[in-house]
Amino acid sequence: DIVMTQSPDSLAVSLGERATINCKSSQSVFYSPNNKNYLAWYQQKPGQPPKLLISWASTRESGVPDRFSGSGSGTDFTLTISSLQAEDVAVYYCHQYYSIPSLTFGQGTKLEIK
Amino acid sequence: QLQLQESGPGLVKPSETLSLTCTVSGGSISSSNYYWGWIRQPPGKGLEWIGGISYSGSTYYNPSLRSRVTISVDTSKNHFSLKLNSVTAADTAVYYCARPGIAGRTGYFDYWGQGALVTVSS
Repeated sequence: DIVMTQSPDSLAVSLGERATINCKSSQSVFYSPNNKNYLAWYQQKPGQPPKLLISWASTRESGVPDRFSGSGSGTDFTLTISSLQAEDVAVYYCHQYYSIPSLTFGQGTKLEIK
Repeated sequence: QLQLQESGPGLVKPSETLSLTCTVSGGSISSSNYYWGWIRQPPGKGLEWIGGISYSGSTYYNPSLRSRVTISVDTSKNHFSLKLNSVTAADTAVYYCARPGIAGRTGYFDYWGQGALVTVSS
């Protein structure tokens, strides 16, 4: 299985400041024939299902605020929230969908307001 | 707007079989070759992909659960189902059904049900 390791486990950021969450995969999730990284990011608030924010490492879903961005390639990825808003308090997960049938998720990063 | 809804017993006894159904509305389960999936989340913990199925019945299963899992589809009822046998307390979780954003294979999930809490206890 590809192991996804997020850092940090928890993060406290002031409103309006930048939040950065990292995700490292134990193997590359880059597929060279189509030049794509098979990596997604989700936001999960208490009592709700995960919400897809970003697919293909950097493609923002329709309706997701542009303060959310994804970057990285191969084994190292980053989710950045450029200016933290109160509604961004949540747990964030990275997810690799490169390795079938062994899709795996990171352990989650809890984001709070400082 | 596509919607998914899980249903099934919220309490299952140890060693018995957990059974859940995901009913899809706002779209046909047969409309494209999506691998409709099941994901679970133990209370206070992270996400674990269980498996997925296409409308034709082709399946992917998580190798760690493969021996205990069966996923089936009923296109006439526009739903798909999960069975997990020989359950233990470790199988207590919120079970989500979801649709991947990629047709033809499983992948990231862009539509999710609200989740169903299943507790394994005698």
